[in-house]
Amino acid sequence: RKEVEQDPGPFNVPEGATVAFNCTYSNSASQSFFWYRQDCRKEPKLLMSVYSSGNEDGRFTAQLNRASQYISLLIRDSKLSDSATYLCVVRGSGTYKYIFGTGTRLKVLA
Amino acid sequence: EPEVTQTPSHQVTQMGQEVILRCVPISNHLYFYWYRQILGQKVEFLVSFYNNEISEKSEIFDDQFSVERPDGSNFTLKIRSTKLEDSAMYFCASRGLAGVSYEQYFGPGTRLTVT
Repeated sequence: RKEVEQDPGPFNVPEGATVAFNCTYSNSASQSFFWYRQDCRKEPKLLMSVYSSGNEDGRFTAQLNRASQYISLLIRDSKLSDSATYLCVVRGSGTYKYIFGTGTRLKVLA
Repeated sequence: EPEVTQTPSHQVTQMGQEVILRCVPISNHLYFYWYRQILGQKVEFLVSFYNNEISEKSEIFDDQFSVERPDGSNFTLKIRSTKLEDSAMYFCASRGLAGVSYEQYFGPGTRLTVT
């Protein structure tokens, strides 16, 4: 099983749609979880950390399910500018290492 | 807003040559990282650096690679004898104090092309 696994997509959605991505991780001792977005040939940009209680930032909501070892990202009212690759990132316990998923591509269509 | 900077943005080198990639992390950050991303593939951890020493490295980070923080601001990645397969984007990242924030912030990357 891959350490961090994501559906590569692409997810093609119309503007205004709601879209959700999941990510699973294999190390049950993982401590920190993040969503980053990456535009083509650019650096990953932090979208949000994911907390155990779930958290929201505007149109973006992140959830963590430790029992099932997955995190999710929900984007409401999709904008054209949301088109990007969304990276799930996990940090293990007692480690400095951050593991990236392969990313899920999102295309928001006009 | 403070940001991580990297130079050069693009480096072309011949196989067997040494390259040094430079990064200036966010000024009050304490943990520094290098990652690489081969075109079309995922971001891969290379090395983390804390308190002037390597704290963790991946299998990719072999004897050809080294890191240094030569002064209070720069953080460098050296590849001693480049191979074709070293062609990739190299990202530097930094983060603040453990227990305060584990959020990493990335520089814009250096595209390394080995010919």
